[in-house]
Amino acid sequence: AQTVTQSQPEMSVQEAETVTLSCTYDTSENNYYLFWYKQPPSRQMILVIRQEAYKQQNATENRFSVNFQKAAKSFSLKISDSQLGDTAMYFCAFMKHVVGGDMRFGAGTRLTVKP
Amino acid sequence: GAGVSQSPSNKVTEKGKDVELRCDPISGHTALYWYRQSLGQGLEFLIYFQGNSAPDKSGLPSDRFSAERTGGSVSTLTIQRTQQEDSAVYLCASSLALGVTVYNEQFFGPGTRLTVL
Repeated sequence: AQTVTQSQPEMSVQEAETVTLSCTYDTSENNYYLFWYKQPPSRQMILVIRQEAYKQQNATENRFSVNFQKAAKSFSLKISDSQLGDTAMYFCAFMKHVVGGDMRFGAGTRLTVKP
Repeated sequence: GAGVSQSPSNKVTEKGKDVELRCDPISGHTALYWYRQSLGQGLEFLIYFQGNSAPDKSGLPSDRFSAERTGGSVSTLTIQRTQQEDSAVYLCASSLALGVTVYNEQFFGPGTRLTVL
């Protein structure tokens, strides 16, 4: 079974600063996807970034980037130039590389960006 | 509509009552998922539908939970004899399912917040 662990229940960062959210996972699979989702108070799950396990290059999306360490089964999210709108719950998720693969989520990290 | 929609947005019920939660996926999406998000927790997979295939029910927590997907589109999640521990946000997601080697993003609805008194 796959498990996803987020060890930081809450974090805060000053506006314009950089913050890193941690995620580790456990799996025996070799091919899989990893994701970071953002969930603002509206409850809408928004995909922030994804990483294919077979790719060594870390994914980046504008101010968001990941540090993917496959051997260590670590997948951290770095948010640069934090903005007030980044305040939300952030969930790390794992999905097997199969059709219809359901996602396994961590418990989440509540990020607050302070002005 | 352009996205996944769910209804009702909020539902308050009494312990022991049955409830039905509805999900309208994005048009053309053949895969549909239900997740449960308990307070302060991540999402927990419940059930998965793909086209006309038998659903993957491996995540359903008890036989009080069931789901249907009629005509390959709208899905209804039913919880019978609700218990207080069923209180949670129930999220639906849909995706294309184009093949094993193609990534298919899951698009989420806004969820239904269920409160069992």
